[in-house]
Amino acid sequence: EIVLTQSPATLSVSPGERATLYCRASQSVSINVAWYQQKPGQAPRLVIYDVATRATGIPARFSGSGSGTEFTLTISSLQSEDFAVYYCQQYNDWPPVTFGGGSKVEIK
Amino acid sequence: QPQLQESGPGLVKPSETLSLRCTVSGDSSSSPYYWVWIRQPPGKGLEWIGTIYYSGSIYYNPSLKSRLTISRDTSNNQFSLKMTSVTAADTAVYYCARGISVVTSLWGQGTLVIVSS
Repeated sequence: EIVLTQSPATLSVSPGERATLYCRASQSVSINVAWYQQKPGQAPRLVIYDVATRATGIPARFSGSGSGTEFTLTISSLQSEDFAVYYCQQYNDWPPVTFGGGSKVEIK
Repeated sequence: QPQLQESGPGLVKPSETLSLRCTVSGDSSSSPYYWVWIRQPPGKGLEWIGTIYYSGSIYYNPSLKSRLTISRDTSNNQFSLKMTSVTAADTAVYYCARGISVVTSLWGQGTLVIVSS
């Protein structure tokens, strides 16, 4: 099973600032990585898939990069609606599909 | 607009079987998608349970496989999850979801299942 490790666990950022989240895989997952956003009491929402493709309706301030075992999700200028928990997911070698433990982006 | 809605008992006794259904509206459960179950224990992260592809192929999380059955009922536009021999560790919000791959872009709202006597 491929293990995904996300960092940091919590990121405190002021609105308008840039946020960068990291996801490391225990072995190569090529570009088969997605990112989800989850707000309290809500289901997760797909943000990025195939490392860098934004899902429908996701604003351009969200971008993804990486390959192999190291991946990043960048939010270029945080808006109030972006404060949430973000999970990375790998689907290169499944079953099982696996998720990282999550990174919380909170208001500084 | 397609929607997914989970349903089932919110309380299950230890050692019993958890049964959930996902009703698909605005689409067909036989459409060419992956139909997925994912869970999230309170305050914790996401765990992929398994998926049924529109072709009928089924894939399970190996860590849960011995206790799982995923199936579909195309006549009622539903797919379902059964998990046997539940314990407190199976307490979670259970989500059904849909994707063109196992990347899921449409989710149900989730249903909390508590395992307790």
